[in-house]
Amino acid sequence: SYELTQPPSVSVSPGQTARITCSGDLLPKQYAYWYQQRPGQAPVLLIYKDTERPSGIPERFSGSSSGTTVTLTISGVQAEDEADYYCQSSDSSGSYVFGTGTKVTVL
Amino acid sequence: EVQLVESGGGLVQPGRSLRLSCAASGFTFDDYAMHWVRQVPGKALEWVSGITWNSGYAGYADSVKGRFTISRDNAKNSLYLQMNSLRAEDTALYYCARCSSLEVVPAAYFDYWGQGTLVTVYS
Repeated sequence: SYELTQPPSVSVSPGQTARITCSGDLLPKQYAYWYQQRPGQAPVLLIYKDTERPSGIPERFSGSSSGTTVTLTISGVQAEDEADYYCQSSDSSGSYVFGTGTKVTVL
Repeated sequence: EVQLVESGGGLVQPGRSLRLSCAASGFTFDDYAMHWVRQVPGKALEWVSGITWNSGYAGYADSVKGRFTISRDNAKNSLYLQMNSLRAEDTALYYCARCSSLEVVPAAYFDYWGQGTLVTVYS
């Protein structure tokens, strides 16, 4: 089955930049999406179609894509950004697949 | 304001059935496909099932195909998930999520989520 691989954890100091990668063989052909999930809360859409940001999402969140890897960048990390982050895309059959998840810790 | 409120979760024995509901408000329900996504506490998200705006097509993850049935009632602004032959591995928090599209298509994503309802399958 298709897998989207993310690093289990990323640690970053306040004000620094965090980068979270998501790797999958079909990413050059399918869009990727990113979600933030704070402890005890439902996921929130952060990025759609690789790089687009929904209204209401702070500009410090950005997405990029290169080959089989997409990246979520959090610039000027704040304490409130401590959360789990998931990428999402689709496999060849059209089923939706989530990444393995990355826990971001703000030091 | 978009609101999705799940209900129907609970404790159930293996092999039994459960029906989840999701009440939607704050948007035109039949303008969107809808999905169920689940999450074992402490684990990653897993897509379960999705249904088009007019119930014309429903898709399922391989892990639930043949056991779960998704449906919707546009007149009641409600989404459902009938879960039969439940297994211990179905234990999870089940989220209702609004799709970005009318259809269940690869280039779609989940733009609003409910708070989830917990299903525990125990023996």
